[in-house]
Amino acid sequence: NAGVTQTPKFRILKIGQSMTLQCTQDMNHNYMYWYRQDPGMGLKLIYYSVGAGITDKGEVPNGYNVSRSTTEDFPLRLELAAPSQTSVYFCASSMGYGYTFGSGTRLTVV
Amino acid sequence: ELKVEQNPLFLSMQEGKNYTIYCNYSTTSDRLYWYRQDPGKSLESLFVLLSNGAVKQEGRLMASLDTKARLSTLHITAAVHDLSATYFCAGGPTNEKLTFGTGTRLTIIP
Repeated sequence: NAGVTQTPKFRILKIGQSMTLQCTQDMNHNYMYWYRQDPGMGLKLIYYSVGAGITDKGEVPNGYNVSRSTTEDFPLRLELAAPSQTSVYFCASSMGYGYTFGSGTRLTVV
Repeated sequence: ELKVEQNPLFLSMQEGKNYTIYCNYSTTSDRLYWYRQDPGKSLESLFVLLSNGAVKQEGRLMASLDTKARLSTLHITAAVHDLSATYFCAGGPTNEKLTFGTGTRLTIIP
């Protein structure tokens, strides 16, 4: 049982580049989330989805985009990367109670 | 909007001692979670508290919830080195996004 799988685990981007962080879950969870965690801080919600085709902004959505075409996948797109987006990104899924987190993607923008 | 505050932010304690981490939240929350995070790792679910007066225990950790005071506590009994980690509380309405506290970085000193 894979749970929530995130790829890549590490990535270095140059300022202005774009990339997609992948997130896949195999638990048939309706709810999926993207959080970022800055050093020494808690998690801040970027975007979330309550089901395929439905997404909504969280606390810090600027500079990011998401899509949810299937129940399993919830990719996070970074357009025009900036140093302020250097962070660890966590994807999570839920059926309403209890989150399952992925192992995270550590992103550095230089 | 829900705000979650933890204190202390940093806690250094000796092995064998007892201590409590506090989690205050600003508005009604249907559920309160406690997570553990080791350095460079993802979040591990410890407890979920769903009702006023709920108490859960696992080993040397015990969590409780007082919904009237909007307060949850994580009590550590006879601390051991393996408990060194960052602990997060998080809350939110059922089937909606969780809001995380900033975390308590716990260091157990021999």
